[in-house]
Amino acid sequence: DAKTTQPPSMDCAEGRAANLPCNHSTISGNEYVYWYRQIHSQGPQYIIHGLKNNETNEMASLIITEDRKSSTLILPHATLRDTAVYYCIVRVTALAPSYGKLTFGQGTILTVHP
Amino acid sequence: EPEVTQTPSHQVTQMGQEVILRCVPISNHLYFYWYRQILGQKVEFLVSFYNNEISEKSEIFDDQFSVERPDGSNFTLKIRSTKLEDSAMYFCASSLRPSGETQYFGPGTRLLVL
Repeated sequence: DAKTTQPPSMDCAEGRAANLPCNHSTISGNEYVYWYRQIHSQGPQYIIHGLKNNETNEMASLIITEDRKSSTLILPHATLRDTAVYYCIVRVTALAPSYGKLTFGQGTILTVHP
Repeated sequence: EPEVTQTPSHQVTQMGQEVILRCVPISNHLYFYWYRQILGQKVEFLVSFYNNEISEKSEIFDDQFSVERPDGSNFTLKIRSTKLEDSAMYFCASSLRPSGETQYFGPGTRLLVL
């Protein structure tokens, strides 16, 4: 799986958009970009994933650059409960069971303040 | 919404003792995982399990570890002879397919080895 690079920490004011960047310059054509978050030692929580098109769900939006070498997770209206560690993970798309594991990095600690 | 459950939430054991951590994955899921997170460190993959056999395991998952799906609903992680360095949060996860698919994590079991 391709390596990802994320800033170690970011701050965001409550109610504002939080834009979390991720660099994955060595990504291959068959690799998805996944975002998970972990709130204070709870189990990681899935947020969103995408291959090359921008994606949006009820939690967030994912913007992937045209060359796919970087992406941005957008939380449109951050709340205090969004304070967490956010992980950008690149993973091969394949149906073999051995492709299932997620490889977590250090992630970005997002602190949302009042 | 269906969720992965884990028991116990906390376990304290003496070094050298056996422990069994239990997980109930989401009912229609076919792929099962264990991860661990030592305090202050990143989430690490231990093992993936499909069709009643291990599909991948990490270097951490040595002969002291084993996994089992004893009854079609539970998924267990056994540590035969615990060491101090096994102290960590252990997360179970499950998914319907191995890739391109959300992995749902349980809340974790905090294991403390004294």
